[in-house]
Amino acid sequence: DAGVTQSPTHLIKTRGQQVTLRCSPKSGHDTVSWYQQALGQGPQFIFQYYEEEERQRGNFPDRFSGHQFPNYSSELNVNALLLGDSALYLCASSFAWQGRNEQFFGPGTRLTVL
Amino acid sequence: DQQVKQNSPSLSVQEGRISILNCDYTNSMFDYFLWYKKYPAEGPTFLISISSIKDKNEDGRFTVFLNKSAKHLSLHIVPSQPGDSAVYFCAASSPFNAGGTSYGKLTFGQGTILTVHP
Repeated sequence: DAGVTQSPTHLIKTRGQQVTLRCSPKSGHDTVSWYQQALGQGPQFIFQYYEEEERQRGNFPDRFSGHQFPNYSSELNVNALLLGDSALYLCASSFAWQGRNEQFFGPGTRLTVL
Repeated sequence: DQQVKQNSPSLSVQEGRISILNCDYTNSMFDYFLWYKKYPAEGPTFLISISSIKDKNEDGRFTVFLNKSAKHLSLHIVPSQPGDSAVYFCAASSPFNAGGTSYGKLTFGQGTILTVHP
């Protein structure tokens, strides 16, 4: 049973560029949440996708956008990258109405903005 | 606005002894709490959880205690093992609501690095 997978593992970009991160949820899960973990901090909620729509959003600017596909996989897009966007980006999957009970996390994508 | 706080950045414990990790929260709407463990280069892994209707939940060597009046929870690991060395995150969520503002978003603390020495 494949768990949550994310690609790429590492990414280096320069300021002003755009980046797309990808996530495949655990088999059977239909909800994907994205989190940003800065160095020395806990994960911070970016947004959550269910039925191909964003249904909850954290305190992140519009530069952060996402998408969910019919197979439940998801993408996180960040435009106009800033140095402060350097972080580990975590994807978590869950069942639609059980996410608060347990969310399964992927290994993350380490984004470095130079 | 840090709604979930883990005030101890690190904890060092001898193998076989008890590890106690603490977490405080400020949001009264939180009613479900989780602990995650994270190894380097891996995503957080769910460890144990507790609902606000309980004050204790046990799972093997791991026990979580919840003190709602103090808005405080703790994770006890007994006995501690070197393989428990990791970063531990406390997380909280509020109930799903029909108004569409809460769907299981997790709010995390900053984490505590636990080191268990052989």
